[in-house]
Amino acid sequence: GAVVSQHPSRVICKSGTSVKIECRSLDFQATTMFWYRQFPKKSLMLMATSNEGSKATYEQGVEKDKFLINHASLTLSTLTVTSAHPEDSSFYICSALGQPLSGNTIYFGEGSWLTVV
Amino acid sequence: DAKTTQPPSMDCAEGRAANLPCNHSTISGNEYVYWYRQIHSQGPQYIIHGLKNNETNEMASLIITEDRKSSTLILPHATLRDTAVYYCIASSSNTGKLIFGQGTTLQVKP
Repeated sequence: GAVVSQHPSRVICKSGTSVKIECRSLDFQATTMFWYRQFPKKSLMLMATSNEGSKATYEQGVEKDKFLINHASLTLSTLTVTSAHPEDSSFYICSALGQPLSGNTIYFGEGSWLTVV
Repeated sequence: DAKTTQPPSMDCAEGRAANLPCNHSTISGNEYVYWYRQIHSQGPQYIIHGLKNNETNEMASLIITEDRKSSTLILPHATLRDTAVYYCIASSSNTGKLIFGQGTTLQVKP
């Protein structure tokens, strides 16, 4: 079935640096992908909608200049956490809408753990 | 998207059926009911989704009431590996946008 892959699965970066997380749809084209973050013992929080070939749409309260999203192809979206701070440490998860082969099923990546030290 | 309400936690004996309820009384006509589960430190795993008819796949069955205001996810023979947080979400299928609530933590016990 459809698979969404994220890379890296775990990353540690220093405060003030930027880190990029990739989200790929492996066997289907995804015009729309979504980015979530999740803190320990909390539910997933939608950050933004990534649209292929156009600007991302951010949820209220999410800083677009801090969380840069690029969706340059139908199979790849990237999330760049800029000038990372320890409070950005979190589990970041992407999802993609698989259509038409997957009957509009939404698939999630394995997630990426970010630790900012 | 319609708000969903789930019990925060449930226990189930291994080998028995696990029945997870979900209320979505404000669901609109074009919104599907999606079920996902998340095992610790992993991305959510798709289980099943439906619009108005009951659905069954290799993982579970989804029973949707006739008025569509509630549904039940049934895991027919729960195993220890089914221990996870289960999320019920109501959403339009053509957007792909899922808003997660707090879900139900299902603990399957030996």
